[in-house]
Amino acid sequence: GAVVSQHPSRVICKSGTSVKIECRSLDFQATTMFWYRQFPKQSLMLMATSNEGSKATYEQGVEKDKFLINHASLTLSTLTVTSAHPEDSSFYICSGALAETYEQYFGPGTRLTVT
Amino acid sequence: GESVGLHLPTLSVQEGDNSIINCAYSNSASDYFIWYKQESGKGPQFIIDIRSNMDKRQGQRVTVLLNKTVKHLSLQIAATQPGDSAVYFCAETNDYKLSFGAGTTVTVRA
Repeated sequence: GAVVSQHPSRVICKSGTSVKIECRSLDFQATTMFWYRQFPKQSLMLMATSNEGSKATYEQGVEKDKFLINHASLTLSTLTVTSAHPEDSSFYICSGALAETYEQYFGPGTRLTVT
Repeated sequence: GESVGLHLPTLSVQEGDNSIINCAYSNSASDYFIWYKQESGKGPQFIIDIRSNMDKRQGQRVTVLLNKTVKHLSLQIAATQPGDSAVYFCAETNDYKLSFGAGTTVTVRA
């Protein structure tokens, strides 16, 4: 149980274009979803926290107008990287959690490459 | 700010030996700690967790030890297997948000 999927698993886009990444909780309702970014050989850094039906809360240093997060339902959150640049190339990972619980269930990640 | 960190970035261990991965944390207010395993190109996988009111917890082949006096967390893997090769992260929680340490790369020698 507690499976989270992400789509696509890999994406290559040209500089200046936008790309959307989907995060789905397949067998549970995720009240809260988290988005992380991981650069090569580094740790996971939390980008934002989103609660279903509410605006996302972004961590310091993360541009909310560049990384648009939508959490329209209890099973789906999307991250849109707008006007992507090569420095946005990274591994993006989402997780889902039940209300007021510590345990997060992680997706398999999406490798974004901006050329 | 306060963060979770790891003592060693890499660990090489002989197959069948025990592994010990260490983690130092600085936020004394954290009340929940988790160890994750991440294989290349994949998302983190939950291994074991421990609450701050405990000092030891055991799972299948893994044991987590928590020393709040020196703010130290460790993960012990018994009889390390080739499939244990991965990057291991400790994480602490605050307001249900996770802060990850830097990670330790474990390589198992045959």
